[in-house]
Amino acid sequence: DAGVTQSPTHLIKTRGQQVTLRCSPKSGHDTVSWYQQALGQGPQFIFQYYEEEERQRGNFPDRFSGHQFPNYSSELNVNALLLGDSALYLCASSDDRSSYEQYFGPGTRLTVT
Amino acid sequence: GQSLEQPSEVTAVEGAIVQINCTYQTSGFYGLSWYQQHDGGAPTFLSYNALDGLEETGRFSSFLSRSDSYGYLLLQELQMKDSASYFCAARMDSSYKLIFGSGTRLLVRP
Repeated sequence: DAGVTQSPTHLIKTRGQQVTLRCSPKSGHDTVSWYQQALGQGPQFIFQYYEEEERQRGNFPDRFSGHQFPNYSSELNVNALLLGDSALYLCASSDDRSSYEQYFGPGTRLTVT
Repeated sequence: GQSLEQPSEVTAVEGAIVQINCTYQTSGFYGLSWYQQHDGGAPTFLSYNALDGLEETGRFSSFLSRSDSYGYLLLQELQMKDSASYFCAARMDSSYKLIFGSGTRLLVRP
């Protein structure tokens, strides 16, 4: 049973560029959440997708957008990258009825220079 | 606002018992989860408390007191592999997101 997968593992971008991160949820899960984790901090909720719609959003600017596909996989897009966007981006999947138990992927380490 | 407070670091000896506390200030609190994260790894779900009391899962137990806005994770028979960061995370009523604490770094010494 495949767990949550994310790609790419690492990414280096320049300020002002745009980036797309990808996530495939654990088999049987229909809900995907995205988190940003700065070094030494807890994950911060960006948004959650369910039934191909953004169901809830955290305190992140509109530069952060996403998408969920019919197969439940998801993308996170960040436009106009800032140095402060450098972080580990985690994707987590869950069953809609058990959102307290989220399965995290290994993350994408984004470095903005 | 919504926030969770945890100690930043805890050190314990192999074979001992350690308790990691979490206090929360949130409106519409629904339940408390615990996650483990090794350096360079992904957070892994450990336990969840929706009701007051103790939940036991092998060497790990988690406790919740809603009246005190307080919970803890108890790790018994500590092993070197338990060295990791531990996060409490709260779920709110009518919300789908988890709010994470800043994490407690546990160091297990021989």
